[in-house]
Amino acid sequence: TQLLEQSPQFLSIQEGENLTVYCNSSSVFSSLQWYRQEPGEGPVLLVTVVTGGEVKKLKRLTFQFGDARKDSSLHITAAQTGDTGLYLCAGPPSGYALNFGKGTSLLVTP
Amino acid sequence: EADIYQTPRYLVIGTGKKITLECSQTMGHDKMYWYQQDPGMELHLIHYSYGVNSTEKGDLSSESTVSRIRTEHFPLTLESARPSHTSQYLCASSEYLSTEAFFGQGTRLTVV
Repeated sequence: TQLLEQSPQFLSIQEGENLTVYCNSSSVFSSLQWYRQEPGEGPVLLVTVVTGGEVKKLKRLTFQFGDARKDSSLHITAAQTGDTGLYLCAGPPSGYALNFGKGTSLLVTP
Repeated sequence: EADIYQTPRYLVIGTGKKITLECSQTMGHDKMYWYQQDPGMELHLIHYSYGVNSTEKGDLSSESTVSRIRTEHFPLTLESARPSHTSQYLCASSEYLSTEAFFGQGTRLTVV
């Protein structure tokens, strides 16, 4: 099983602060995906990164795929309370389904 | 709007009961999945399907069974529920050549 380690596990910040969360593996992934999950809901896909070194931006969220395709990061600029949720990274070990990390639980307070 | 639906959202049942968790999608996706999620733990794949009449067990051993008689429908059945089955069950689907998953809202199952 290709494991995905996410850090930090929990993060509590105030509105307006910047933050970065990480997703690391000892294995190479053909792609990595980031999902956000709100309490009582299923995960929602935010982005897929495919190429080593790739950077994708989604409004205030910046996603980066490591050059060796073993790690990824998510940076949020000027966090808002609406960013609160569980951020999950996931990758396809063999193409048929996804392996998920345990997630980073983010709380943004006013 | 195309979507994926799970029912019920919440279920509390007694030990030994048979239950079926429903999952339907309107996106025409060939691949469907069931994941189990416990607090603080990663999502674990318990079943998946490539299409009609195709079902496979996932990485996490599960006493549940699934069927795929129609493309849009992927129900999960527990013949005899036990307290160890208490968990959140998430259904998802994706296009055949993709792993980008669309998830339902989940069923939170409590077995007492």
